Amino acid sequence: AQTVTQSQPEMSVQEAETVTLSCTYDTSENNYYLFWYKQPPSRQMILVIRQEAYKQQNATENRFSVNFQKAAKSFSLKISDSQLGDTAMYFCAFMKPWNSGGSNYKLTFGKGTLLTVNP
Amino acid sequence: GAGVSQSPSNKVTEKGKDVELRCDPISGHTALYWYRQSLGQGLEFLIYFQGNSAPDKSGLPSDRFSAERTGGSVSTLTIQRTQQEDSAVYLCASSPPGTTTGELFFGEGSRLTVL
Repeated sequence: AQTVTQSQPEMSVQEAETVTLSCTYDTSENNYYLFWYKQPPSRQMILVIRQEAYKQQNATENRFSVNFQKAAKSFSLKISDSQLGDTAMYFCAFMKPWNSGGSNYKLTFGKGTLLTVNP
Repeated sequence: GAGVSQSPSNKVTEKGKDVELRCDPISGHTALYWYRQSLGQGLEFLIYFQGNSAPDKSGLPSDRFSAERTGGSVSTLTIQRTQQEDSAVYLCASSPPGTTTGELFFGEGSRLTVL
């Protein structure tokens, strides 16, 4: 079974600064997807960024980028130029690919990191 | 609708009562998921529907929990004889057919409080 660990229950950052959220995972799969989801106070989970394990290049979406270290099974999220609207719970998640058999498409989540951006 | 819709948004019930939570996925999405989010516990997988296939019920915590999906669209999660430990936010998500990206589209959840 896959497990996802987020070791930072809470973090804070000053507006305009950079912050990195940590995530590690455990799997025996070679191919898989990793995600960061954001959950603002409205409760609706929103996809922030996605990484395919077979891609060596780190994914980037505007101010959000990841540091994917496959051998270390590490998947951290870097938020640059933090904004007040970035305040939210951030969840790291793992998914086996569609053709791997078994419980496809079942996202396994970490327990989340509460990020507060201070003005 | 434009997004995943869940109702009720908030539900307060007494211990021992039955509750039903509804999820209306994005039109055309064949996959539907239920997750439970308890305070400090992240998201716990409950059940997964994919088209006409048998659902993956491996995450349901007890036989008091059940879910159905009618006509491949709307889903209802039913909790019988509610207990205080059932208090949580129940999140529904859907995803379109044939996708390999793994992205799930979530609703805003139903917050259940069992007194």
